[in-house]
Amino acid sequence: SAVISQKPSRDICQRGTSLTIQCQVDSQVTMMFWYRQQPGQSLTLIATANQGSEATYESGFVIDKFPISRPNLTFSTLTVSNMSPEDSSIYLCSSQQGLGGVINEQFFGPGTRLTVL
Amino acid sequence: AQTVTQSQPEMSVQEAETVTLSCTYDTSENNYYLFWYKQPPSRQMILVIRQEAYKQQNATENRFSVNFQKAAKSFSLKISDSQLGDTAMYFCAFIATSGTYKYIFGTGTRLKVLA
Repeated sequence: SAVISQKPSRDICQRGTSLTIQCQVDSQVTMMFWYRQQPGQSLTLIATANQGSEATYESGFVIDKFPISRPNLTFSTLTVSNMSPEDSSIYLCSSQQGLGGVINEQFFGPGTRLTVL
Repeated sequence: AQTVTQSQPEMSVQEAETVTLSCTYDTSENNYYLFWYKQPPSRQMILVIRQEAYKQQNATENRFSVNFQKAAKSFSLKISDSQLGDTAMYFCAFIATSGTYKYIFGTGTRLKVLA
């Protein structure tokens, strides 16, 4: 299993500013993902963070708004840019090993609760 | 496209009783995995149980077991001897072994265990 930490755990930000969320995994992993979760709702995948290349974004999410970095196999960042109150949500990162068709479960970080005023 | 449906938004159960959470899915894939995750108020997503589609035997983890019906595309979770700590949101998730390795999540069932 993988242990994932996220920083910050929560933040309150002003409209128009940006916040970078860090995700650290305690072991090297093949894949890392970023999700958004509105309170009481399910998880929505934002993007897959690819090591050494640009992230792969889901429909409705764009790089200019949610730039993602993944400099190595244990670390990734998600930036929420030019924030508005609609960006208030919980942001979770996860890791998964997936090699040669063998699927292992995703492990999740504790989430970052973002409030935009 | 794959979909996962959890038809019970909220459920409650008395402590020590048994409860079953339902999950159905739709896919044309033959090889896939199914998972149940628990998310307590702390927000931490915790894997409860997993099932490989090629296995006919239902997975069991202590008080948690599944009823996997591949033909019916059904994957229910049974919690026996419910405990107060089982109070949480429960999400069913699907992933195909081919393609992008992305999870498809259901909308979740909020379970409350009553003392």
